Amino acid sequence: DGGITQSPKYLFRKEGQNVTLSCEQNLNHDAMYWYRQDPGQGLRLIYYSQIVNDFQKGDIAEGYSVSREKKESFPLTVTSAQKNPTAFYLCASGTWGYGYTFGSGTRLTVV
Amino acid sequence: DQQVKQNSPSLSVQEGRISILNCDYTNSMFDYFLWYKKYPAEGPTFLISISSIKDKNEDGRFTVFLNKSAKHLSLHIVPSQPGDSAVYFCAASASRDDKIIFGKGTRLHILP
Repeated sequence: DGGITQSPKYLFRKEGQNVTLSCEQNLNHDAMYWYRQDPGQGLRLIYYSQIVNDFQKGDIAEGYSVSREKKESFPLTVTSAQKNPTAFYLCASGTWGYGYTFGSGTRLTVV
Repeated sequence: DQQVKQNSPSLSVQEGRISILNCDYTNSMFDYFLWYKKYPAEGPTFLISISSIKDKNEDGRFTVFLNKSAKHLSLHIVPSQPGDSAVYFCAASASRDDKIIFGKGTRLHILP
């Protein structure tokens, strides 16, 4: 059953800690994306990758890092440099002209 | 600057009537447009898309219209059903870089 999986569903981070959010897809999609959703802000693009070993910054990349070592995987690290990390994070994959599939999201809370 | 704009934060429509959600964009390089439906604490679900070579695409109760000269697209839902109550996001992409930009969303309420 093809799909895109985000884990964990809920994540708590202490001040000053780095945390990594997982995103795995078995849809054979080349492109993968990370978005952040805040109330009233819609979905804002953090990073995206069109191909393995390559990625580009989105509109709000500061304080985040990514890697794309495998086609199936696009983990997002929220670093201590991200001043307001509490948000709902969404991963997506797809192909231009054929739509994009989203995961079910990870809610990150700073405690 | 917002490249994809959904100017109505919310919309209320009577069950059985037509719901029309609007979206404007500024980047003339966008050539693929999508609509997503989202419930709280879930990922968005793809509804319908349209490429810039078309001006209309229909899928069941959902129709998307694209007016390239006005840089405007709209989603029509006919007839509206209670399960359609959700937040709807408009998104746009350019084939040259695969970057997808979303609007802020419109919350649709279907009234009984």
